[in-house]
Amino acid sequence: AQSVTQLGSHVSVSEGALVLLRCNYSSSVPPYLFWYVQYPNQGLQLLLKYTSAATLVKGINGFEAEFKKSETSFHLTKPSAHMSDAAEYFCAVLYGNNRLAFGKGNQVVVIP
Amino acid sequence: KAGVTQTPRYLIKTRGQQVTLSCSPISGHRSVSWYQQTPGQGLQFLFEYFSETQRNKGNFPGRFSGRQFSNSRSEMNVSTLELGDSALYLCASTPGQGSPDTQYFGPGTRLTVL
Repeated sequence: AQSVTQLGSHVSVSEGALVLLRCNYSSSVPPYLFWYVQYPNQGLQLLLKYTSAATLVKGINGFEAEFKKSETSFHLTKPSAHMSDAAEYFCAVLYGNNRLAFGKGNQVVVIP
Repeated sequence: KAGVTQTPRYLIKTRGQQVTLSCSPISGHRSVSWYQQTPGQGLQFLFEYFSETQRNKGNFPGRFSGRQFSNSRSEMNVSTLELGDSALYLCASTPGQGSPDTQYFGPGTRLTVL
């Protein structure tokens, strides 16, 4: 079965510093992978997705992620953190018909 | 296009009661999926409907059920509520025509069971 692992429930980053959130997946088939962001009291917003095209995927708000099959990873990065990046981030893998398996999430805190 | 809407946004119920949550997908989307989000278990898939038929079901007891109408709007029902059902319930819609579809999420309904 497909699954996703996100380590480190809370991630603190200084404003202007690199944001790096790690995601490792387990999938028996070529995966379709997603990163979503959730702000307080809101639903999930798509940041970016990997669908077997380019391995480096650019998303909204300056985020990007690189798919590495050899490492079964899909880590999310942003070169310079902004205060508005404080939120919870979820990595997910698609399996079956419109069925997502999510990681536990990373709560990102941005320190001024 | 208007996004996914969910009503109500907040609900408070007591144990043993039942509750119905509603989800209106993006216009033209035919697939609606439901997820439960709790601090302990995270985001878990409940079920997915496409053209009024349940295509997928997660590992939840039979107290959790759903349906979809001909206009693609969906409802989920939880009967005999338990304290552990307190959660944020999210629905997501996709066109449902092919894979991989991006799921677009609504703001959620926060259910509190007392």
